[in-house]
Amino acid sequence: EDKVVQSPLSLVVHEGDTVTLNCSYEVTNFRSLLWYKQEKKAPTFLFMLTSSGIEKKSGRLSSILDKKELFSILNITATQTGDSAVYLCAVYEGSQGNLIFGKGTKLSVKP
Amino acid sequence: DTAVSQTPKYLVTQMGNDKSIKCEQNLGHDTMYWYKQDSKKFLKIMFSYNNKELIINETVPNRFSPKSPDKAHLNLHINSLELGDSAVYFCASSGLAGTYNEQFFGPGTRLTVL
Repeated sequence: EDKVVQSPLSLVVHEGDTVTLNCSYEVTNFRSLLWYKQEKKAPTFLFMLTSSGIEKKSGRLSSILDKKELFSILNITATQTGDSAVYLCAVYEGSQGNLIFGKGTKLSVKP
Repeated sequence: DTAVSQTPKYLVTQMGNDKSIKCEQNLGHDTMYWYKQDSKKFLKIMFSYNNKELIINETVPNRFSPKSPDKAHLNLHINSLELGDSAVYFCASSGLAGTYNEQFFGPGTRLTVL
């Protein structure tokens, strides 16, 4: 069965800390891996990764994919209270084109 | 302009009722989806539609039926609502059929079945 596993499930840090969120996957016919941020409402897109070793970066957030070891990490540097959210990892599998989500990492950033 | 919109945002109803949730996207995307997010925040695909054809039908009860009057709309009809149907339902859309790009999510509909 296809699966996406995120760790940790929750994380509490203080402003200014750096965090690393993990996502491992086992899917049939991997196509791409996506990261989303979900605050109170809809998930909002952060990154899409298709190739190993190429870092995607947006401000204080960055992400990288390792297709050999089947995982991705999402880094957030100099965290702010506005980074508090659930971060979702999702993987497209190619047989049916499903986007399979992990259970998310709940990040809480304290002032 | 809102890219993916859903109505209503909140829906409270009694067991056994029939209800519909509407979704519209103005992005010109080919594919639209319905997801269910349970109380533990786990998002799971229910259906997707590509150019008005159902291409994925996960093992959801047949009380749930997606209906797509045109490429920009995918509505979700639920018959004989049960307590376990309480969740947040998200509509999403993505670009060209057969590609694996980001999906844009609507704001969600929180369904509560009493």
